[in-house]
Amino acid sequence: GAGVSQTPSNKVTEKGKYVELRCDPISGHTALYWYRQSLGQGPEFLIYFQGTGAADDSGLPNDRFFAVRPEGSVSTLKIQRTERGDSAVYLCASSTTEATGELFFGEGSRLTVL
Amino acid sequence: AQSVTQPDIHITVSEGASLELRCNYSYGATPYLFWYVQSPGQGLQLLLKYFSGDTLVQGIKGFEAEFKRSQSSFNLRKPSVHWSDAAEYFCAVGATLTGGGNKLTFGTGTQLKVEL
Repeated sequence: GAGVSQTPSNKVTEKGKYVELRCDPISGHTALYWYRQSLGQGPEFLIYFQGTGAADDSGLPNDRFFAVRPEGSVSTLKIQRTERGDSAVYLCASSTTEATGELFFGEGSRLTVL
Repeated sequence: AQSVTQPDIHITVSEGASLELRCNYSYGATPYLFWYVQSPGQGLQLLLKYFSGDTLVQGIKGFEAEFKRSQSSFNLRKPSVHWSDAAEYFCAVGATLTGGGNKLTFGTGTQLKVEL
């Protein structure tokens, strides 16, 4: 597709379960970002990939959160032992590597932890 | 560390009226500044950005923003609001990442309601 695609659009899980969220960036974009948006807040940076490697993971809240991008395209955000506080919309964005490059965002995956 | 403040959580304007959304930032160097709009069921869309040069930048949908270094502000304006402008607006400051790309820090957003 032409834009950033995220699946699932909605995910409801129980506390303690494992969750995977997928992001398919715009073709040719080498930079990929994950953000988290809690209710009433702006998006918060989680992790940034340049190609296959995580160049900056300073926003991951703890070691229950992990993300991969094995082939430099699709990325998966993985959350272990989910907690109610993980409930949020997880946004993915991609861009070129230009310093002035625009970030293109997907519609997000809404995660609800019961 | 960089930060962004959007002091207005909600703003209501009448269709056809002018609009100004406030944004103040904190950043140690010359900032990269952005305004994004988020409509229900849609992803964040870039309205405009400032990197350098002319401090008045034009964006899509008739929006403009002015960078004022002395006030650490980057307010968004539109002369005449349309009902379709109702959405949430986010100001962001960017920091260049190693290897390229931008790490954006967002404000908490301003929800715009347009009265017909």
